Amino acid sequence: GAGVSQSPRYKVAKRGQDVALRCDPISGHVSLFWYQQALGQGPEFLTYFQNEAQLDKSGLPSDRFFAERPEGSVSTLKIQRTQQEDSAVYLCASSPGTRWFFGPGTRLTVL
Amino acid sequence: GESVGLHLPTLSVQEGDNSIINCAYSNSASDYFIWYKQESGKGPQFIIDIRSNMDKRQGQRVTVLLNKTVKHLSLQIAATQPGDSAVYFCAENRNKAAGNKLTFGGGTRVLVKP
Repeated sequence: GAGVSQSPRYKVAKRGQDVALRCDPISGHVSLFWYQQALGQGPEFLTYFQNEAQLDKSGLPSDRFFAERPEGSVSTLKIQRTQQEDSAVYLCASSPGTRWFFGPGTRLTVL
Repeated sequence: GESVGLHLPTLSVQEGDNSIINCAYSNSASDYFIWYKQESGKGPQFIIDIRSNMDKRQGQRVTVLLNKTVKHLSLQIAATQPGDSAVYFCAENRNKAAGNKLTFGGGTRVLVKP
C-alpha cells in the first residue's frame, strides 16, 4: 500500500482482556513509532524502533504495554490486562529518516 | 516540564479569510518543527515544516513562522476553505540527544464557516 496501515481500526475490550494492535509501515522505512492519543489531546510518544531494535520505550505507561518489531517491518503493540484509562487512539508512524508518516490509528475502547 | 503548547483551543474563521494558529514551545534546543492537520478518524497529516535556522517557510496556501527569541511558532492559512476544517497540531523534534521522537502540542480546532 501507499501509506501506513493499522488494524484493527476499532477495538472494544472488556477490562482485563489482552489486546494486540498491528502496524504495517511504509515499505523500506527504517523507523517506526507508536503514539497514544487521548480524546481531545495531542499524540503522546510511547516507543520507537529502528529496524528491529527498540531504541526508546520511555513513553510506555506501564509494564502492561509491550511492543515488538521482530523482523524490522510489521510492529505489534500489545496491552495486557486492559484498564479503562487505556481507552485512546493508538497511532503508528513510520519514517525513512526525516519525515514521519502516520497511519489512521486504532481506536481502543475498554469497557 | 518542557512542552509544546497552543494558545487557542478553537478558531472559527469565515471561508475565504486567513487563519493564524499559534504555538509556544519551551525547549530552546529544539531544532525542527512540524505542523500537522488531523481530520476526524484519521492520523495526523504533514502540512509544512521548518528548521531552527530559518524564520519563515512557505508552502501552498500555508506559511510557517518561527520566532526563536520568544519560542513561538505560527501557521498561517491563506483563503481558508471548508476542507481546512480540522485539528491542527504543532510538533517538535528535539536534538539528537533526546532521540528521534516528536513531541506534540495539545491542538487547535479550526472551524470554517461558509
